[in-house]
Amino acid sequence: SAVISQKPSRDICQRGTSLTIQCQVDSQVTMMFWYRQQPGQSLTLIATANQGSEATYESGFVIDKFPISRPNLTFSTLTVSNLSPEDSSIYLCSAALRAGHEQYFGPGTRLTVT
Amino acid sequence: LAKTTQPISMDSYEGQEVNITCSHNNIATNDYITWYQQFPSQGPRFIIQGYKTKVTNEVASLFIPADRKSSTLSLPRVSLSDTAVYYCLVGDRGGATNKLIFGTGTLLAVQP
Repeated sequence: SAVISQKPSRDICQRGTSLTIQCQVDSQVTMMFWYRQQPGQSLTLIATANQGSEATYESGFVIDKFPISRPNLTFSTLTVSNLSPEDSSIYLCSAALRAGHEQYFGPGTRLTVT
Repeated sequence: LAKTTQPISMDSYEGQEVNITCSHNNIATNDYITWYQQFPSQGPRFIIQGYKTKVTNEVASLFIPADRKSSTLSLPRVSLSDTAVYYCLVGDRGGATNKLIFGTGTLLAVQP
Protein backbone atom coordinates (compact mmCIF):
# COMPACT_ATOMS: atom_id res chain seq x y z
CA SER A 1 0.00 0.00 0.00
CA ALA A 2 0.96 3.67 -0.15
CA VAL A 3 0.15 6.70 1.95
CA ILE A 4 -0.46 9.92 0.08
CA SER A 5 -0.24 13.39 1.58
CA GLN A 6 -1.24 16.66 -0.04
CA LYS A 7 -0.45 20.26 0.77
CA PRO A 8 -2.26 22.54 1.26
CA SER A 9 -5.43 20.91 2.49
CA ARG A 10 -7.39 23.99 1.48
CA ASP A 11 -6.81 27.49 0.20
CA ILE A 12 -8.68 30.60 -0.80
CA CYS A 13 -7.14 32.38 -3.77
CA GLN A 14 -7.90 35.50 -5.72
CA ARG A 15 -8.89 35.51 -9.34
CA GLY A 16 -5.90 35.63 -11.69
CA THR A 17 -3.41 34.09 -9.28
CA SER A 18 -2.07 30.53 -9.22
CA LEU A 19 -2.02 27.73 -6.67
CA THR A 20 0.50 24.92 -6.54
CA ILE A 21 -0.54 21.70 -4.83
CA GLN A 22 2.03 19.22 -3.62
CA CYS A 23 1.58 15.46 -3.50
CA GLN A 24 3.96 13.22 -1.56
CA VAL A 25 3.91 9.41 -1.59
CA ASP A 26 5.59 7.42 1.17
CA SER A 27 7.02 4.88 -1.31
CA GLN A 28 8.14 4.76 -4.91
CA VAL A 29 5.27 4.35 -7.35
CA THR A 30 5.05 4.04 -11.10
CA MET A 31 1.86 5.99 -11.68
CA MET A 32 0.68 9.29 -10.23
CA PHE A 33 -2.54 11.01 -11.23
CA TRP A 34 -4.32 14.28 -10.64
CA TYR A 35 -8.11 14.47 -10.44
CA ARG A 36 -10.69 17.21 -9.99
CA GLN A 37 -13.89 16.69 -8.05
CA GLN A 38 -16.63 19.25 -7.85
CA PRO A 39 -18.57 19.06 -4.56
CA GLY A 40 -21.14 16.29 -4.74
CA GLN A 41 -19.86 15.05 -8.08
CA SER A 42 -17.67 12.28 -9.42
CA LEU A 43 -13.96 12.45 -10.12
CA THR A 44 -12.53 13.64 -13.43
CA LEU A 45 -8.99 12.75 -14.40
CA ILE A 46 -6.90 15.82 -15.27
CA ALA A 47 -3.60 14.19 -16.17
CA THR A 48 -1.05 11.51 -15.50
CA ALA A 49 2.16 12.81 -13.97
CA ASN A 50 5.07 11.11 -15.72
CA GLN A 51 8.43 10.91 -14.00
CA GLY A 52 11.07 12.70 -16.00
CA SER A 53 8.81 13.73 -18.86
CA GLU A 54 5.80 15.88 -19.68
CA ALA A 55 2.47 14.95 -18.15
CA THR A 56 -0.23 13.28 -20.21
CA TYR A 57 -3.36 15.42 -20.20
CA GLU A 58 -6.93 14.27 -20.69
CA SER A 59 -9.35 15.89 -23.07
CA GLY A 60 -10.34 19.34 -21.89
CA PHE A 61 -7.23 19.94 -19.80
CA VAL A 62 -4.12 21.75 -21.07
CA ILE A 63 -0.61 22.21 -19.81
CA ASP A 64 -0.78 26.01 -19.75
CA LYS A 65 -3.66 25.91 -17.29
CA PHE A 66 -2.56 22.87 -15.27
CA PRO A 67 1.23 22.54 -15.36
CA ILE A 68 2.43 19.39 -13.62
CA SER A 69 5.83 18.35 -12.40
CA ARG A 70 7.10 14.97 -11.29
CA PRO A 71 10.77 15.14 -10.46
CA ASN A 72 10.98 11.66 -8.90
CA LEU A 73 8.95 8.54 -8.10
CA THR A 74 7.47 9.89 -4.86
CA PHE A 75 6.54 13.51 -5.52
CA SER A 76 4.41 15.57 -7.89
CA THR A 77 2.94 19.05 -8.07
CA LEU A 78 -0.10 20.43 -9.84
CA THR A 79 -0.41 24.14 -10.48
CA VAL A 80 -3.76 25.66 -11.31
CA SER A 81 -2.96 28.85 -13.18
CA ASN A 82 -4.81 32.07 -13.87
CA LEU A 83 -7.50 31.16 -11.41
CA SER A 84 -11.17 31.89 -12.01
CA PRO A 85 -14.17 31.04 -9.84
CA GLU A 86 -14.85 28.06 -12.12
CA ASP A 87 -11.63 26.49 -10.82
CA SER A 88 -13.12 26.23 -7.33
CA SER A 89 -13.08 22.51 -6.68
CA ILE A 90 -11.36 19.69 -4.84
CA TYR A 91 -8.12 18.48 -6.39
CA LEU A 92 -6.99 14.95 -5.60
CA CYS A 93 -3.71 13.21 -6.15
CA SER A 94 -3.50 9.44 -6.47
CA ALA A 95 -0.78 6.87 -6.98
CA ALA A 96 -0.64 3.31 -8.24
CA LEU A 97 2.12 0.76 -8.25
CA ARG A 98 1.28 -0.18 -11.84
CA ALA A 99 -1.09 1.00 -14.54
CA GLY A 100 -4.64 -0.18 -13.98
CA HIS A 101 -4.01 -1.35 -10.46
CA GLU A 102 -5.41 -0.10 -7.18
CA GLN A 103 -5.07 3.64 -6.73
CA TYR A 104 -4.26 5.23 -3.40
CA PHE A 105 -5.70 8.70 -2.99
CA GLY A 106 -4.61 11.70 -1.03
CA PRO A 107 -7.09 13.60 1.16
CA GLY A 108 -7.58 16.30 -1.46
CA THR A 109 -7.05 20.05 -1.65
CA ARG A 110 -10.11 22.25 -1.49
CA LEU A 111 -9.62 25.36 -3.61
CA THR A 112 -11.91 28.36 -3.44
CA VAL A 113 -11.39 31.20 -5.90
CA THR A 114 -12.82 34.59 -5.04
CA LEU B 1 -14.78 4.93 -24.00
CA ALA B 2 -16.63 2.92 -21.40
CA LYS B 3 -19.18 5.25 -19.86
CA THR B 4 -20.38 4.06 -16.49
CA THR B 5 -23.73 4.69 -14.81
CA GLN B 6 -24.86 3.93 -11.28
CA PRO B 7 -27.96 4.61 -9.19
CA ILE B 8 -27.70 8.00 -7.53
CA SER B 9 -28.61 6.73 -4.10
CA MET B 10 -29.63 3.69 -2.09
CA ASP B 11 -31.03 3.20 1.38
CA SER B 12 -30.42 0.25 3.65
CA TYR B 13 -30.58 -0.84 7.26
CA GLU B 14 -27.87 -2.16 9.48
CA GLY B 15 -27.21 -5.87 9.04
CA GLN B 16 -28.62 -6.06 5.53
CA GLU B 17 -26.77 -7.06 2.39
CA VAL B 18 -26.45 -4.24 -0.14
CA ASN B 19 -25.92 -4.68 -3.86
CA ILE B 20 -24.86 -1.71 -5.98
CA THR B 21 -24.83 -2.14 -9.73
CA CYS B 22 -22.74 -0.27 -12.27
CA SER B 23 -23.52 -0.30 -15.97
CA HIS B 24 -20.62 -0.13 -18.43
CA ASN B 25 -22.01 -1.14 -21.81
CA ASN B 26 -18.93 -0.18 -23.84
CA ILE B 27 -16.36 -1.98 -21.72
CA ALA B 28 -13.32 -3.11 -23.72
CA THR B 29 -11.34 -6.32 -23.58
CA ASN B 30 -8.48 -4.85 -21.55
CA ASP B 31 -10.68 -3.04 -19.03
CA TYR B 32 -10.85 -3.99 -15.37
CA ILE B 33 -13.59 -2.92 -12.98
CA THR B 34 -12.66 -1.35 -9.67
CA TRP B 35 -14.85 -0.08 -6.86
CA TYR B 36 -13.98 2.70 -4.44
CA GLN B 37 -15.58 4.07 -1.28
CA GLN B 38 -15.48 7.76 -0.42
CA PHE B 39 -16.34 9.47 2.84
CA PRO B 40 -16.90 13.23 3.04
CA SER B 41 -13.69 15.28 2.94
CA GLN B 42 -11.58 12.23 2.14
CA GLY B 43 -10.09 10.70 -0.98
CA PRO B 44 -11.60 7.51 -2.37
CA ARG B 45 -10.49 4.21 -0.87
CA PHE B 46 -10.07 0.97 -2.83
CA ILE B 47 -12.61 -1.77 -2.13
CA ILE B 48 -12.23 -4.46 -4.76
CA GLN B 49 -11.19 -5.09 -8.37
CA GLY B 50 -12.16 -7.74 -10.90
CA TYR B 51 -12.17 -8.73 -14.55
CA LYS B 52 -14.88 -11.38 -14.80
CA THR B 53 -17.01 -13.80 -12.75
CA LYS B 54 -16.75 -13.30 -9.01
CA VAL B 55 -14.14 -11.82 -6.74
CA THR B 56 -14.35 -11.78 -2.97
CA ASN B 57 -12.20 -10.17 -0.31
CA GLU B 58 -12.63 -9.50 3.39
CA VAL B 59 -15.01 -6.58 2.90
CA ALA B 60 -16.98 -7.15 -0.31
CA SER B 61 -17.77 -9.29 -3.32
CA LEU B 62 -17.79 -8.25 -6.94
CA PHE B 63 -19.99 -10.02 -9.47
CA ILE B 64 -19.33 -9.57 -13.18
CA PRO B 65 -21.51 -11.39 -15.71
CA ALA B 66 -20.11 -13.05 -18.81
CA ASP B 67 -20.82 -10.09 -21.10
CA ARG B 68 -19.09 -7.74 -18.57
CA LYS B 69 -21.52 -4.92 -19.41
CA SER B 70 -22.34 -4.46 -15.77
CA SER B 71 -20.92 -5.26 -12.37
CA THR B 72 -22.40 -5.54 -8.90
CA LEU B 73 -20.68 -4.65 -5.67
CA SER B 74 -22.06 -6.65 -2.78
CA LEU B 75 -21.57 -5.46 0.79
CA PRO B 76 -22.58 -8.08 3.37
CA ARG B 77 -24.22 -6.98 6.61
CA VAL B 78 -23.70 -3.24 6.31
CA SER B 79 -23.23 -1.02 9.34
CA LEU B 80 -23.73 2.70 9.91
CA SER B 81 -20.06 3.27 9.07
CA ASP B 82 -20.67 2.00 5.54
CA THR B 83 -22.63 5.17 4.76
CA ALA B 84 -20.57 6.67 1.95
CA VAL B 85 -20.43 7.25 -1.78
CA TYR B 86 -19.43 4.23 -3.85
CA TYR B 87 -17.82 4.62 -7.27
CA CYS B 88 -17.12 2.09 -9.96
CA LEU B 89 -14.14 2.73 -12.20
CA VAL B 90 -13.48 1.14 -15.54
CA GLY B 91 -9.79 1.22 -16.34
CA ASP B 92 -7.30 -0.22 -18.76
CA ARG B 93 -4.32 -2.15 -17.36
CA GLY B 94 -2.50 -1.36 -20.55
CA GLY B 95 -1.94 2.15 -19.28
CA ALA B 96 -4.45 3.99 -21.45
CA THR B 97 -5.36 6.58 -18.85
CA ASN B 98 -8.05 8.18 -20.98
CA LYS B 99 -10.05 5.14 -19.96
CA LEU B 100 -9.90 5.86 -16.23
CA ILE B 101 -13.55 6.79 -16.02
CA PHE B 102 -15.25 6.99 -12.68
CA GLY B 103 -18.94 6.28 -12.47
CA THR B 104 -21.44 8.83 -11.26
CA GLY B 105 -21.30 7.45 -7.75
CA THR B 106 -23.95 5.92 -5.48
CA LEU B 107 -24.68 7.45 -2.11
CA LEU B 108 -25.45 4.60 0.27
CA ALA B 109 -27.30 5.64 3.41
CA VAL B 110 -27.38 3.01 6.14
CA GLN B 111 -29.96 3.52 8.86
CA PRO B 112 -30.15 1.88 12.28
